[in-house]
Amino acid sequence: AQKITQTQPGMFVQEKEAVTLDCTYDTSDQSYGLFWYKQPSSGEMIFLIYQGSYDEQNATEGRYSLNFQKARKSANLVISASQLGDSAMYFCAMGGNEKLTFGTGTRLTIIP
Amino acid sequence: GAGVSQTPSNKVTEKGKYVELRCDPISGHTALYWYRQSLGQGPEFLIYFQGTGAADDSGLPNDRFFAVRPEGSVSTLKIQRTERGDSAVYLCASSQDRDRGNTGELFFGEGSRLTVL
Repeated sequence: AQKITQTQPGMFVQEKEAVTLDCTYDTSDQSYGLFWYKQPSSGEMIFLIYQGSYDEQNATEGRYSLNFQKARKSANLVISASQLGDSAMYFCAMGGNEKLTFGTGTRLTIIP
Repeated sequence: GAGVSQTPSNKVTEKGKYVELRCDPISGHTALYWYRQSLGQGPEFLIYFQGTGAADDSGLPNDRFFAVRPEGSVSTLKIQRTERGDSAVYLCASSQDRDRGNTGELFFGEGSRLTVL
């Protein structure tokens, strides 16, 4: 079974600062993928970034980067130069075969 | 449209009634998923289709829940004898064939919000 843990229910960050959202996972699979999704108040789940368990380099997508520490089973999301539009729920997820397992999410609020 | 389409966007029903929720995936996506998201929670897996067949229905909470995908495209989630605890947002997602080397990223619809009174 796979499990995702997000320990920060909510975070407040000043605009233009960087923010790290924590995610730890547990799995017995050797090969798996880690994902981050953003869910604004409209409800749509928006894919942000993906990290494969065998990828040697941390994934980056624009202002998003994934700090992958395999030995610690952590996959933290880093958002650089935060913007007001980054205010949303953020979900970490993992997939070994087909389906994704999601964490409980972190509500990020950017303060102007 | 180019994205995953779900109808209705909102459904209010009375306890004990039957409900159908529809999902139209991205064209060409062979995999289709149903998730349920309760208030303040992350999406919880319900069922996954590969083509027309349900490859994994381990997330369906009980036998009141059923889903079909008869032609390998549109899917319908069916809930019988609805209960107040069924109130949630039901999310549908689709993805490309994993054999093509993609990441397995899921593309989500905007969800169907079900309220059982």
